[in-house]
Amino acid sequence: GAVVSQHPSRVICKSGTSVKIECRSLDFQATTMFWYRQFPKKSLMLMATSNEGSKATYEQGVEKDKFLINHASLTLSTLTVTSAHPEDSSFYICSARVSGASTEAFFGQGTRLTVV
Amino acid sequence: DAKTTQPTSMDCAEGRAANLPCNHSTISGNEYVYWYRQIHSQGPQYIIHGLKNNETNEMASLIITEDRKSSTLILPHATLRDTAVYYCIVRVPGNTPLVFGKGTRLSVIA
Repeated sequence: GAVVSQHPSRVICKSGTSVKIECRSLDFQATTMFWYRQFPKKSLMLMATSNEGSKATYEQGVEKDKFLINHASLTLSTLTVTSAHPEDSSFYICSARVSGASTEAFFGQGTRLTVV
Repeated sequence: DAKTTQPTSMDCAEGRAANLPCNHSTISGNEYVYWYRQIHSQGPQYIIHGLKNNETNEMASLIITEDRKSSTLILPHATLRDTAVYYCIVRVPGNTPLVFGKGTRLSVIA
């Protein structure tokens, strides 16, 4: 299947700093990518839909100024957690689907963010 | 998307078939049944999907009842590496996000 690469896989940052997470589709183009977060022993929660060349669509309750999403190309979307706080510590996962195809979605390996 | 109901957890002996049920009684005619799994601290992995016919691939088989109100994912010979949370999702294929429920935590026991 298609490969989605997420980087970094694990990051520790200090409170108040910003962290950028990259999501790349390695062997296909993805017009749309999705960002999820997951707390321990909980299911994945959709945060936002990232559209190439346009503004992201955020789910209700997700602060767009805190979680900045940029989808500058058909193979790269980034999520920046700004002014991170300990409560932002979570597992962040991106997903992408092949452009123009109604096929299954592929997921990155996830990023474990710890804010200290 | 229609909601699904899955058991919270299941155990399976290594080498035996794991049968994971899913109820989706409000599924609509154009919605497919998708199965994903998530191994601890990894991103979800696609397993299989189907509309109304039974499907099989190298990972699993998907059995959908004739009325499409329920389905069963079958892992024919479970291994320890199949220990994961399994998610059953119903949706219309397209560029919309997957919405995850709580899934079934499958533990394969040696």
